[in-house]
Amino acid sequence: DAGVIQSPRHEVTEMGQEVTLRCKPISGHDYLFWYRQTMMRGLELLIYFNNNVPIDDSGMPEDRFSAKMPNASFSTLKIQPSEPRDSAVYFCASSLGGAGNSPLHFGNGTRLTVT
Amino acid sequence: AQSVTQLDSQVPVFEEAPVELRCNYSSSVSVYLFWYVQYPNQGLQLLLKYLSGSTLVKGINGFEAEFNKSQTSFHLRKPSVHISDTAEYFCAVRYISGGYNKLIFGAGTRLAVHP
Repeated sequence: DAGVIQSPRHEVTEMGQEVTLRCKPISGHDYLFWYRQTMMRGLELLIYFNNNVPIDDSGMPEDRFSAKMPNASFSTLKIQPSEPRDSAVYFCASSLGGAGNSPLHFGNGTRLTVT
Repeated sequence: AQSVTQLDSQVPVFEEAPVELRCNYSSSVSVYLFWYVQYPNQGLQLLLKYLSGSTLVKGINGFEAEFNKSQTSFHLRKPSVHISDTAEYFCAVRYISGGYNKLIFGAGTRLAVHP
């Protein structure tokens, strides 16, 4: 299994531009999570999906952020317009089952820099 | 509010010495507990997990952790560390209550193993 695949690995963009981060979960996993990691705030859960349906997006910082999961093998996190404070590493993770005993499998992350 | 506290942000240690990384969580309900490791420029990998049963849990790379319900702690230990153990370690808790499903991470402990 290839694991969770995220693209791009690095993204540098200018303030005001639209940014799209992509994630392919592990085949067969029915939960998908988007996390953001910064030095100041650590790992924050932004949103998670179950069977392609968003369940909890209370962690999405503001309306500039949106996430979609059009099918079981693909999800996107979009920031429009981007701001310098959005600079962070964004992780996608997936799991089989949403019960407490289901460990998350993380991708290698996308390092976003907004100048 | 549920929270996870990792008491040390950094732990320096010499190679072959023992190490303990501390983790405490707030709790009024049942929990599942996890330790993840993050190597530079990578996503998080599961080290070990406590779901139920024996309070001493063994994981990969010679790590183990002990669940202490009365102290709401889940400290990670290794009797003899190696240079390759240098990484950031995250304690995570999944609270089991009424379908609540979020995995909450601590701020992380950076383990630096010196020769």
